[in-house]
Amino acid sequence: AQKVTQAQTEISVVEKEDVTLDCVYETRDTTYYLFWYKQPPSGELVFLIRRNSFDEQNEISGRYSWNFQKSTSSFNFTITASQVVDSAVYFCALSEASLNTGFQKLVFGTGTRLLVSP
Amino acid sequence: EPEVTQTPSHQVTQMGQEVILRCVPISNHLYFYWYRQILGQKVEFLVSFYNNEISEKSEIFDDQFSVERPDGSNFTLKIRSTKLEDSAMYFCASSRDRNTEAFFGQGTRLTVV
Repeated sequence: AQKVTQAQTEISVVEKEDVTLDCVYETRDTTYYLFWYKQPPSGELVFLIRRNSFDEQNEISGRYSWNFQKSTSSFNFTITASQVVDSAVYFCALSEASLNTGFQKLVFGTGTRLLVSP
Repeated sequence: EPEVTQTPSHQVTQMGQEVILRCVPISNHLYFYWYRQILGQKVEFLVSFYNNEISEKSEIFDDQFSVERPDGSNFTLKIRSTKLEDSAMYFCASSRDRNTEAFFGQGTRLTVV
């Protein structure tokens, strides 16, 4: 079965520091998708990125960047020059295809709570 | 920007009562999902729905749960006889197809007392 591990339960940084959130996954699928979602204190889940298993190029979006390494089954997320508004719980997720139906469902990690203080 | 909307944002119900959680998915999306998050825990898959039928459900989604798309725009989750352990945040999500990203609603916090 698929599994996503986010070993860091909580990280505290001071504003303007860079921070990396780790995500390690397990899957037997050759084709899969990885995601990051942000859950701010208001509770909603905000989609950040989707990456398919064939695309190992790193991606940068503003202050956010993602490092996907199949060799280590990791999909880490870095926030550069963190801001107080980045304070949230960040979830890494893996799409799992049902053996019966082929339909995708998301398997989430336990999340990393990021606290950015001024 | 289109978004998934859920109502109500918070519902308190007595144990044993039926509740219906409502969702309006993004209009051109074809795949719909319910997930739940018990306070402080990870988000767990409940059910996926496509072409007016359940395509996949988890072990959590037992006979007390049902889903429906009653009118082509709403997507509902019904819990027939709520238990204390059903207290959680319930998220509705939708996606354009089975491999694209799912967009989540803001959640409904269900409190069973």
